[in-house]
Amino acid sequence: EAQVTQNPRYLITVTGKKLTVTCSQNMNHEYMSWYRQDPGLGLRQIYYSMNVEVTDKGDVPEGYKVSRKEKRNFPLILESPSPNQTSLYFCASRPGGKVDTQYFGPGTRLTVL
Amino acid sequence: GENVEQHPSTLSVQEGDSAVIKCTYSDSASNYFPWYKQELGKRPQLIIDIRSNVGEKKDQRIAVTLNKTAKHFSLHITETQPEDSAVYFCAASKNDYKLSFGAGTTVTVRA
Repeated sequence: EAQVTQNPRYLITVTGKKLTVTCSQNMNHEYMSWYRQDPGLGLRQIYYSMNVEVTDKGDVPEGYKVSRKEKRNFPLILESPSPNQTSLYFCASRPGGKVDTQYFGPGTRLTVL
Repeated sequence: GENVEQHPSTLSVQEGDSAVIKCTYSDSASNYFPWYKQELGKRPQLIIDIRSNVGEKKDQRIAVTLNKTAKHFSLHITETQPEDSAVYFCAASKNDYKLSFGAGTTVTVRA
């Protein structure tokens, strides 16, 4: 089954404790992206990757890091989480040339105390 | 960077009526405008998109119009049904990779 998976789905952590949210897709997609969703602000893109070892900033990259060492995985790293990073996070992927077929993961709800 | 504004933030319509959501964008280089629907507790899904070389696109009961001169685009839903109740997001992009979203419109269809 074609899918995008995220882990963990829910996480409560404390300020400053490094964490990684994993994202994996089994569709051999070139493009992957991370978004955060906050009430009243909608979706905001954090980082995206056009292919292995190619990443770029979205609209809100501050406080986040990403890596794309292999095609299927695109982890989101919070080196020192802060309460303002409490949010619902979505990973998404699509084939490089097909903008109309973006698949979203199920979301990760992160709370930073 | 790109700034996308979306209005209204909430919209309540009677079943069978039409719903219209409007978005404006700031970067005249933007050329791709997708719309996403997110049902309660679920992930977003793309429902329709348009490129800047097209003025209008339809898919059954939904349509999107684009006015490049005025830098605004709209989503039209006709003959609304209860399953159209959701949050709708517009977005704009100038390179197909970096997407800037509007804040969302919560649409409620009253039976």
